[in-house]
Amino acid sequence: GAGVSQSPSNKVTEKGKDVELRCDPISGHTALYWYRQSLGQGLEFLIYFQGNSAPDKSGLPSDRFSAERTGGSVSTLTIQRTQQEDSAVYLCASSPIGQLNSPLHFGNGTRLTVT
Amino acid sequence: GNSVTQMEGPVTLSEEAFLTINCTYTATGYPSLFWYVQYPGEGLQLLLKATKADDKGSNKGFEATYRKETTSFHLEKGSVQVSDSAVYFCALTANTGNQFYFGTGTSLTVIP
Repeated sequence: GAGVSQSPSNKVTEKGKDVELRCDPISGHTALYWYRQSLGQGLEFLIYFQGNSAPDKSGLPSDRFSAERTGGSVSTLTIQRTQQEDSAVYLCASSPIGQLNSPLHFGNGTRLTVT
Repeated sequence: GNSVTQMEGPVTLSEEAFLTINCTYTATGYPSLFWYVQYPGEGLQLLLKATKADDKGSNKGFEATYRKETTSFHLEKGSVQVSDSAVYFCALTANTGNQFYFGTGTSLTVIP
């Protein structure tokens, strides 16, 4: 497909388990963002990848959260030892060149529920 | 710091009513401003943008003008349709850092 693809679309996990969320950006997009959308909250920035540069991890809420981007394409967000407050929709977005006035192209998100 | 404040919803309007969703911002430097829309069951998508003061972004009958003097970027539409029912997010990027800053979103429901 031509858009940003995220998987799974829904994930239910038990507290304390690890989860991996996947994002396939639009081909050729060098910038990739992860955001978290909690009920009644705005989008919370988590992490940003741009090409081969070191990622901007300033938004990761704790050391249980990590992300990587392999080959400048697919990205995986990992949450270790999940907590109930991690329940949210995790959104991935990509952008062609990473300039800040370039629009973001969002995936449909992964809805994570921690029980 | 950088932040966006938009009016809380939900907003319910009758078809053909006038829409205003307020958005104000705080930013360092010279931000670019955006409105994104999230239709039910879909991802966020760009609705319109403005990159400098006094610019007007427009798309699908929606408009927003970048007002530096009032630090605002209010979204307007003269006559809403049922198909405009969605959640609308105001956002900015500043020329420091790599982040987009989003408001909390305003849910709009248009009833026939």
